[in-house]
Amino acid sequence: AQRVTQPEKLLSVFKGAPVELKCNYSYSGSPELFWYVQYSRQRLQLLLRHISRESIKGFTADLNKGETSFHLKKPFAQEEDSAMYYCALSSGNTPLVFGKGTRLSVIA
Amino acid sequence: NAGVTQTPKFQVLKTGQSMTLQCAQDMNHEYMSWYRQDPGMGLRLIHYSVGAGITDQGEVPNGYNVSRSTTEDFPLRLLSAAPSQTSVYFCASSYGGGELLAEQYFGPGTRLTVT
Repeated sequence: AQRVTQPEKLLSVFKGAPVELKCNYSYSGSPELFWYVQYSRQRLQLLLRHISRESIKGFTADLNKGETSFHLKKPFAQEEDSAMYYCALSSGNTPLVFGKGTRLSVIA
Repeated sequence: NAGVTQTPKFQVLKTGQSMTLQCAQDMNHEYMSWYRQDPGMGLRLIHYSVGAGITDQGEVPNGYNVSRSTTEDFPLRLLSAAPSQTSVYFCASSYGGGELLAEQYFGPGTRLTVT
């Protein structure tokens, strides 16, 4: 069975500090992993996906198959990064499986 | 393009009442899904559809029905509302399977309260 685990419900960091949102997954095949973000009073939107190897809004995430992790990182947090972040897994043609989410709060 | 639209934005129901949450998309997406979002539970899949006339159950389908008569619309029906169905409901759509499936476009959500 596919499972996505985000161990932190809430993560508070100071502005300018590094951020790491943890995501671990369990899946026997080759997963496709994604981060979605939901800003206050906005709809969920795709932030980034591992296959693209891109950096969006300063965030990066590396898929580590050995540790079955896909942690989201940013070197210097900004206040506008405060939001709910969801890690999600796709195994092909099945719908996304989401983690329970981590609320990031960036303190000025 | 309007993207994914949902109506209503807010709804209060009494236990036992039925209603339909509407979802429509104008992007010609094949895949559509319904999720519910609850505090501490993340997003859980209720039902999904891979094309018109095809639907399947997700993780938490009990108490909900769906149909997909057109590509554009994917309504979610609550048969007999229960307080446990108090939640925020999101509809999502995407072009297709695999990686395309993952780039889902979400609607603004419907906040439902069942008293």
